[in-house]
Amino acid sequence: AQTVTQSQPEMSVQEAETVTLSCTYDTSENNYYLFWYKQPPSRQMILVIRQEAYKQQNATENRFSVNFQKAAKSFSLKISDSQLGDTAMYFCAFMKHEGSGGSNYKLTFGKGTLLTVNP
Amino acid sequence: NAGVTQTPKFQVLKTGQSMTLQCAQDMNHNSMYWYRQDPGMGLRLIYYSASEGTTDKGEVPNGYNVSRLNKREFSLRLESAAPSQTSVYFCASTRGGGLITFNYGYTFGSGTRLTVV
Repeated sequence: AQTVTQSQPEMSVQEAETVTLSCTYDTSENNYYLFWYKQPPSRQMILVIRQEAYKQQNATENRFSVNFQKAAKSFSLKISDSQLGDTAMYFCAFMKHEGSGGSNYKLTFGKGTLLTVNP
Repeated sequence: NAGVTQTPKFQVLKTGQSMTLQCAQDMNHNSMYWYRQDPGMGLRLIYYSASEGTTDKGEVPNGYNVSRLNKREFSLRLESAAPSQTSVYFCASTRGGGLITFNYGYTFGSGTRLTVV
């Protein structure tokens, strides 16, 4: 079974600064997908960024980027130019690749990191 | 608006009572999921339905049952509620296919906050 670990229960950052949220995972699979989801106080789950394990290039989405280190099984999220609206719980998540026998596309989540952006 | 609809949004139950959480999606998705979210625990999978007519246990299935009524609807039932089932419950769906799920992610409902007293 896969496990996802987020070692930072809470973090804070000043507006306009950069912050990095850490995530490590444990799997025996070679191909898989990784995600970061954001949950603001509204409770809505929002997909922030995603990465395919077989792609070495780190994914970027505007102010959000990842540092994917496959050998280290690490998938950190960097938020640049933090904004007040980035205040939320952030979840790292893992999904097996369909070629590895997974036909159910289950997401395994970490416990989350509560990020607060201060003015 | 297309999406995943959960009802009710809030519910208070007494210990031992039963109830069903409803979930419906109108996106013609094949796979549906029930998660629970507890403080400091993240989201944990209760049950899922990879396709219409199939259901399987997730990480924390004890105390729950599910029904995939049709392609649109996936309900979660608590037969005898316990205080340990106090949580926020999320239903989610995906069209299926790893690459599609990767590209579009899950579509989540807005959650049901359940309190068992």
